[in-house]
Amino acid sequence: DTAVSQTPKYLVTQMGNDKSIKCEQNLGHDTMYWYKQDSKKFLKIMFSYNNKELIINETVPNRFSPKSPDKAHLNLHINSLELGDSAVYFCASSQETGFSTEAFFGQGTRLTVV
Amino acid sequence: GENVEQHPSTLSVQEGDSAVIKCTYSDSASNYFPWYKQELGKRPQLIIDIRSNVGEKKDQRIAVTLNKTAKHFSLHITETQPEDSAVYFCAANRRDTDKLIFGTGTRLQVFP
Repeated sequence: DTAVSQTPKYLVTQMGNDKSIKCEQNLGHDTMYWYKQDSKKFLKIMFSYNNKELIINETVPNRFSPKSPDKAHLNLHINSLELGDSAVYFCASSQETGFSTEAFFGQGTRLTVV
Repeated sequence: GENVEQHPSTLSVQEGDSAVIKCTYSDSASNYFPWYKQELGKRPQLIIDIRSNVGEKKDQRIAVTLNKTAKHFSLHITETQPEDSAVYFCAANRRDTDKLIFGTGTRLQVFP
């Protein structure tokens, strides 16, 4: 009964291709995120959505386009993939409860661009 | 913009010793400070968190302290065990922005 699930777990693709990563959460959270973790393990926020609305869009190339069809889903589409896009992408969700704003992460998608 | 600095980047300790990881945040409006543990090949998971109205919180062998004036917060692990070996991330959040900003991570190795 996975709380935050993302697919695929691994993705190997050639430069120039377009790919999507899907994320779903069954926790009823209002907020969802995409993070990029590079080879040095830095976790950088890319996007944040609250109730299907884009809240945060960090300085991410516009080749990256998030889409939230409903508040349980936040997908990431990447156009014209480049070598530097290789990383692990984590989806997460959170809900402010007054006591905690714990973010729950998906298992990650390891993207390799060759 | 918001920034969270974390030190050290790597930390090696002997089993049974204590480990301390420190973070500094830039946004004085931050009010929530979680710590995450990420084991090799796995997702980050929350281990402890603290709100800005509390100075210290403890959960068994781990504790977190917060100094709002200096904008510092620290993770303390006592009686370390080999299974504590992982990458630890601090983070800071403002309740009104839905923006959880992570530190750069600390790779902790506990040697038996």
